[in-house]
Amino acid sequence: ETGVTQTPRHLVMGMTNKKSLKCEQHLGHNAMYWYKQSAKKPLELMFVYSLEERVENNSVPSRFSPECPNSSHLFLHLHTLQPEDSALYLCASSQAAASYNEQFFGPGTRLTVL
Amino acid sequence: AQSVSQHNHHVILSEAASLELGCNYSYGGTVNLFWYVQYPGQHLQLLLKYFSGDPLVKGIKGFEAEFIKSKFSFNLRKPSVQWSDTAEYFCAVNPNDYKLSFGAGTTVTVRA
Repeated sequence: ETGVTQTPRHLVMGMTNKKSLKCEQHLGHNAMYWYKQSAKKPLELMFVYSLEERVENNSVPSRFSPECPNSSHLFLHLHTLQPEDSALYLCASSQAAASYNEQFFGPGTRLTVL
Repeated sequence: AQSVSQHNHHVILSEAASLELGCNYSYGGTVNLFWYVQYPGQHLQLLLKYFSGDPLVKGIKGFEAEFIKSKFSFNLRKPSVQWSDTAEYFCAVNPNDYKLSFGAGTTVTVRA
């Protein structure tokens, strides 16, 4: 058990839909992250939250909207996505948002935008 | 632009063969270095990490990596692979903040 869970595992949506991805960590960590993993490309950091405050928005389009209601939960709200947004979206957590902390990853949500 | 480069996209080898995966980064100054592995159908998990001290780091499942500062490299090695080592391997670099930069990954296929 990874300690970081993500739902749903697979999502297919149209460009006009609104959906949300959910991440939950059971490790007592204070930092949470969203990454995008596209085929044959490095993982791209999207957002970082530390103690429920957003500390990084890595030039992500506004059609992606994160929410961190508490240190255990992280959401990614999606609206009017484009087909090129199809990818694996990974959530991760760490003890703190610091360079020496190992990040623990969830299994990901495979998103397909039609 | 600062980056992490993994030289091999796909490596195929037989059981008991030795494995070495290259990783180079372009960040200057102090860095923290990681290798993550993703087995088929599983999540990314940490294989080993280097922060300071002995540049030869040992990780889980018989893997080790060597940090060579002068070459900006952090290559991963295993003397004798097993079929269960079939996975995708990612090098990652953290240049003293929380932003983990990943390489594109190397797919390793071990034939029985």
